[in-house]
Amino acid sequence: DTAVSQTPKYLVTQMGNDKSIKCEQNLGHDTMYWYKQDSKKFLKIMFSYNNKELIINETVPNRFSPKSPDKAHLNLHINSLELGDSAVYFCASSHAQGSSYEQYFGPGTRLTVT
Amino acid sequence: AQKITQTQPGMFVQEKEAVTLDCTYDTSDPSYGLFWYKQPSSGEMIFLIYQGSYDQQNATEGRYSLNFQKARKSANLVISASQLGDSAMYFCAMRGRNTDKLIFGTGTRLQVFP
Repeated sequence: DTAVSQTPKYLVTQMGNDKSIKCEQNLGHDTMYWYKQDSKKFLKIMFSYNNKELIINETVPNRFSPKSPDKAHLNLHINSLELGDSAVYFCASSHAQGSSYEQYFGPGTRLTVT
Repeated sequence: AQKITQTQPGMFVQEKEAVTLDCTYDTSDPSYGLFWYKQPSSGEMIFLIYQGSYDQQNATEGRYSLNFQKARKSANLVISASQLGDSAMYFCAMRGRNTDKLIFGTGTRLQVFP
């Protein structure tokens, strides 16, 4: 009965490779997000999608491309991976509109680029 | 611009005691929501409590309560009767009325000792 799931949980890859992280939510939420948590534990939003439409794109390099095939899924594809991309990536979801809705986070994907 | 400040990088508390984790915020939005999340060592982000800017009463959820002082722009988390399992990172976050994104503070690492 996982609410927000991500795969894989761990991802180790070499510089220059392309990788994807998948996210699915079964909460019936309209909005999904990608956040990045750096080595100092700082969390910052990367993207948000509402009903498959891109809403937020926070100055993320073009190498990062989110894709939402339907409102229950939001995948993150990363091209030409760099050392600085090493981080934990969290998917989250919430009801759209209104500041009162909490966001539910997935378990995170720890990406290590060597 | 919205900003969340958590000035306590680390806090210690003895089991069964209460502890307050500080959070101040800055926003020009007239309506906003304040959230606290817990991140244990296992890495997942767990939603704890929410306070709306127009809520008249402080939010409570079990052993968690939010000491909301709007004029001072503070939203401190109070954990009563601390337990060893409360040892974790705690993040304060804010979401404005007209945005879907959560702005996070830098977090406070809480350690509960016997």
